[in-house]
Amino acid sequence: ELQLLESGGGLIQPGGSLRLSCAASGFTFTNYAMTWVRQAPGKGLEWVAAIGGSGGSTFYADSVKGRFTVSRDNSRNTLYLQMKGLRAGDSAIYYCARVPILPASYFDYWGQGDLVTVSS
Amino acid sequence: SYDLTQPLSVSVALGQTASITCGGDKIGSKTVHWYQQKPGQAPVLVIYRDINRPSEIPERFSGSKSGNTATLTISRAQVGDEADYYCQVWDSGTWVFGGGTKLAVL
Repeated sequence: ELQLLESGGGLIQPGGSLRLSCAASGFTFTNYAMTWVRQAPGKGLEWVAAIGGSGGSTFYADSVKGRFTVSRDNSRNTLYLQMKGLRAGDSAIYYCARVPILPASYFDYWGQGDLVTVSS
Repeated sequence: SYDLTQPLSVSVALGQTASITCGGDKIGSKTVHWYQQKPGQAPVLVIYRDINRPSEIPERFSGSKSGNTATLTISRAQVGDEADYYCQVWDSGTWVFGGGTKLAVL
């Protein structure tokens, strides 16, 4: 069974750093690009970052460029999102999702999400 | 940046057909995907590449595109279809979501 499980979220002070993880199972991880999407409380979906299957290609939303870094460890079937300089506006549920094809593709499976709260 | 416009809410009578629109400049030249999100749950892909439906999604869900508008159509609407629906496209190196439409089944 395909599964994506996010972890690493929590309460963090403004300006702080946090690393999210997404453990993947049930499919050949290296064959797929992966992405992060977030959703602020009561708001819509916002794409954050994506990475190719080999890790060689990365894409970022303007709102996080220079502060967030997406990476992956294919030996551990795990996707990461390193977040620095966190702001209140980064508070959201962060979802990881699978991307069948890069670029211009859809997200066919999603994790259940992990909540990040940036507050003093 | 590219904008996708969706109505905030759509209502449909039980058993009738609901249409959710997604507007964007030259959207006809882009491929559109649709997601369903029920309260407290992760989004689920319901339509990809304009008109294609994942195997686990009921045939009642269909997608179309005409001019500057893409449309998600839900036939024979059920109470279980109540959810937020988001359209999505790829544009200039980024993925863009519409603002979402809340579907109410009356």
